[in-house]
Amino acid sequence: DAGVIQSPRHEVTEMGQEVTLRCKPISGHDYLFWYRQTMMRGLELLIYFNNNVPIDDSGMPEDRFSAKMPNASFSTLKIQPSEPRDSAVYFCASSLVGVGTYTFGSGTRLTVV
Amino acid sequence: GESVGLHLPTLSVQEGDNSIINCAYSNSASDYFIWYKQESGKGPQFIIDIRSNMDKRQGQRVTVLLNKTVKHLSLQIAATQPGDSAVYFCAEKAAGNKLTFGGGTRVLVKP
Repeated sequence: DAGVIQSPRHEVTEMGQEVTLRCKPISGHDYLFWYRQTMMRGLELLIYFNNNVPIDDSGMPEDRFSAKMPNASFSTLKIQPSEPRDSAVYFCASSLVGVGTYTFGSGTRLTVV
Repeated sequence: GESVGLHLPTLSVQEGDNSIINCAYSNSASDYFIWYKQESGKGPQFIIDIRSNMDKRQGQRVTVLLNKTVKHLSLQIAATQPGDSAVYFCAEKAAGNKLTFGGGTRVLVKP
């Protein structure tokens, strides 16, 4: 099992540009989570999906952020337009219902200049 | 609840000594707790978990203790090794499948 796969590993973009982060969960997992990690705020849950349906997006900071899960093996987190304060490491994680542990990807380090 | 971490607390420990990492959780309705380890440049990795109907659980070199009365969780690492240097997070789960993470503790192992 390759685990949760995120791409790209690093992204540097200019303020105002659109950024798309990608995630492939572990096959068979029915929950997918997007987290953001910064030194100031630690690990924050942005949004999570169950069976491809968004369940809780209360952590999405602004309308500039959107997430989709078109099928069980792929999700995207989009920021448009990006701002310097969006610079962070973004993690995707997946899990099975009834199993509390998440498996995390290696993250995408986003830098907005 | 969520933690705001301006500065990560740091635990410095001599190689071979035991480490104890503490965590206060916020939701008395939480029924499941997990410890994660995060090494530099990587995502958090599962270490050990415990359900609220238990007060102690042991793994390989790690023990988790749960005190529901004071909403406190601890992780003990026996015979700490250089590879244990990392940031450690506790996480709690209430209803649903949503984990809330604490602010983290950095462990530095001195040779």
